[in-house]
Amino acid sequence: DTAVSQTPKYLVTQMGNDKSIKCEQNLGHDTMYWYKQDSKKFLKIMFSYNNKELIINETVPNRFSPKSPDKAHLNLHINSLELGDSAVYFCASSHHALAGGYNEQFFGPGTRLTVL
Amino acid sequence: AQTVTQSQPEMSVQEAETVTLSCTYDTSESDYYLFWYKQPPSRQMILVIRQEAYKQQNATENRFSVNFQKAAKSFSLKISDSQLGDAAMYFCAYRSANTGNQFYFGTGTSLTVIP
Repeated sequence: DTAVSQTPKYLVTQMGNDKSIKCEQNLGHDTMYWYKQDSKKFLKIMFSYNNKELIINETVPNRFSPKSPDKAHLNLHINSLELGDSAVYFCASSHHALAGGYNEQFFGPGTRLTVL
Repeated sequence: AQTVTQSQPEMSVQEAETVTLSCTYDTSESDYYLFWYKQPPSRQMILVIRQEAYKQQNATENRFSVNFQKAAKSFSLKISDSQLGDAAMYFCAYRSANTGNQFYFGTGTSLTVIP
């Protein structure tokens, strides 16, 4: 059983296109995240949602728009793709910090986005 | 914001030997959680081990153990009897127990296991 799934796993597209990455978790978590991992493997938080509400919004171009239709899904839409958007994007989920306990993050398999 | 520092971009270890990966963090909080994640070439992020700040006993998971020094704000990972499958990128992470949901990750240490 897949805990955190992302689709697609690979995405190759032309500059200027609009694309979406979907994420779903079946762990019953109420908090979901998007991370960007660049070529140097640095993990950068982009967004976090708790119960469909945006709670973390780091300095990310407004071409990136997260959407959470329910607490099990957090999709990432990217408009007008640029070469610098090429990276691996990870979705993750956890319980809320105030739920008590470790509340570690569970990660999806990542989506490798290549912008040509 | 909290910062997590991994000062070793790359490490190598001989198969069956022991290696220690270092991690330090900066926080003014007293209650928090620390984690080590492993990212093999498959790129899947896998939780290796976790530690609660208010527990003095160091966490252990099979061949993986930590040396948690709260006063020094240090959280190193020891891998004993290293195996080829341990080759991966290792990330140290911090999470507050009380405020917010953000995880703070270090920049990672790439571990090579030499046969």
